[in-house]
Amino acid sequence: SAVISQKPSRDICQRGTSLTIQCQVDSQVTMMFWYRQQPGQSLTLIATANQGSEATYESGFVIDKFPISRPNLTFSTLTVSNMSPEDSSIYLCSAGTGGEPQHFGDGTRLSIL
Amino acid sequence: EDQVTQSPEALRLQEGESSSLNCSYTVSGLRGLFWYRQDPGKGPEFLFTLYSAGEEKEKERLKATLTKKESFLHITAPKPEDSATYLCAVQAGDGQNFVFGPGTRLSVLP
Repeated sequence: SAVISQKPSRDICQRGTSLTIQCQVDSQVTMMFWYRQQPGQSLTLIATANQGSEATYESGFVIDKFPISRPNLTFSTLTVSNMSPEDSSIYLCSAGTGGEPQHFGDGTRLSIL
Repeated sequence: EDQVTQSPEALRLQEGESSSLNCSYTVSGLRGLFWYRQDPGKGPEFLFTLYSAGEEKEKERLKATLTKKESFLHITAPKPEDSATYLCAVQAGDGQNFVFGPGTRLSVLP
């Protein structure tokens, strides 16, 4: 199974700034996904990162707020832009192919002051 | 709309006390049902995939089963190290996305 590495593991940011989270997979994968997990809650899909095309965003999430890059089959980034305290959460990256399980990184714990 | 619910929300067991966690789903054509374990401060760890009603998978003290409307995760003689949040997710039709349930927080007391 794929091994997913995320950086940074945690950060504390000021209101109004932006943070880019990196996700590296140890093998080539078709699909990469970005999730948000509020403390004590389940996972909400932000977007699917497609190599060579625009990311596909879920309802309630927009590209201007969460721009995503997918330059190759092993790497993706998620930027959280113009952050506010409501963006404080855990952001998780996963990778998988249709019908197969997704494998997750350990997440980025983000706090906004 | 695809939906997943899990019960109970939280469960406390004594070591050795067997029990079951439930995952109920509504999906337009099930492609796969996935069980994960999540420890505090970690990402979800994959446990099982089930594809069709009647299918069962086992791993150590865990056994997952699937019907047309729900899945059960049976925990036999649990140990404290089984304490975690257990998440269920479904993938529908020919889609790529997972829909996750809210999870069950399991605590196993020594």
